[in-house]
Amino acid sequence: GESVGLHLPTLSVQEGDNSIINCAYSNSASDYFIWYKQESGKGPQFIIDIRSNMDKRQGQRVTVLLNKTVKHLSLQIAATQPGDSAVYFCAEAGGTSYGKLTFGQGTILTVHP
Amino acid sequence: NAGVMQNPRHLVRRRGQEARLRCSPMKGHSHVYWYRQLPEEGLKFMVYLQKENIIDESGMPKERFSAEFPKEGPSILRIQQVVRGDSAAYFCASSPGVGAGNSPLHFGNGTRLTVT
Repeated sequence: GESVGLHLPTLSVQEGDNSIINCAYSNSASDYFIWYKQESGKGPQFIIDIRSNMDKRQGQRVTVLLNKTVKHLSLQIAATQPGDSAVYFCAEAGGTSYGKLTFGQGTILTVHP
Repeated sequence: NAGVMQNPRHLVRRRGQEARLRCSPMKGHSHVYWYRQLPEEGLKFMVYLQKENIIDESGMPKERFSAEFPKEGPSILRIQQVVRGDSAAYFCASSPGVGAGNSPLHFGNGTRLTVT
């Protein structure tokens, strides 16, 4: 079946560096994409989302880029902080229910002070 | 505003027992979703419910699993005759509607089920 996957399972950065987490998706019918952050023992926490009619969206210290041509999604975190250490998931949805998400495997981000 | 509330946070069951997981959606949300997360994996969709209706259960195992969202009270995910493979974190999410304007989903902190 179609799925969402991540290129890198782990990413280790120094505090203050910029982080980039990548995601590939294969369902061309998806038109809504979300990044979640999950800390140990907690549920996924919404970071930022983007719809397929956009190719870039910015939040506070985060930017999501969408390349529909190659079905690629990325999350950029500026000035990464130790509190950003977590597992990051991309997810996609579309059609009639935007609550039925397909999650990727996850990338573990570790930020060293 | 209170977020999505799930209880219990941790649940231990012996093989063959029943597990009941509860989820109270955010205030004003009438759509509930259940997801399962196995260790070191992403979340997998199980079921989508509105009040008194199951809308999509395409991710639910055909046997032993059931879900409900009654008119009053929390949504319940029920697992009968649990087996070790049911050990996982079960997350609930809610939304006020289904359209793109009602995104994104807000998740609870999950129930961690351990089957011994």
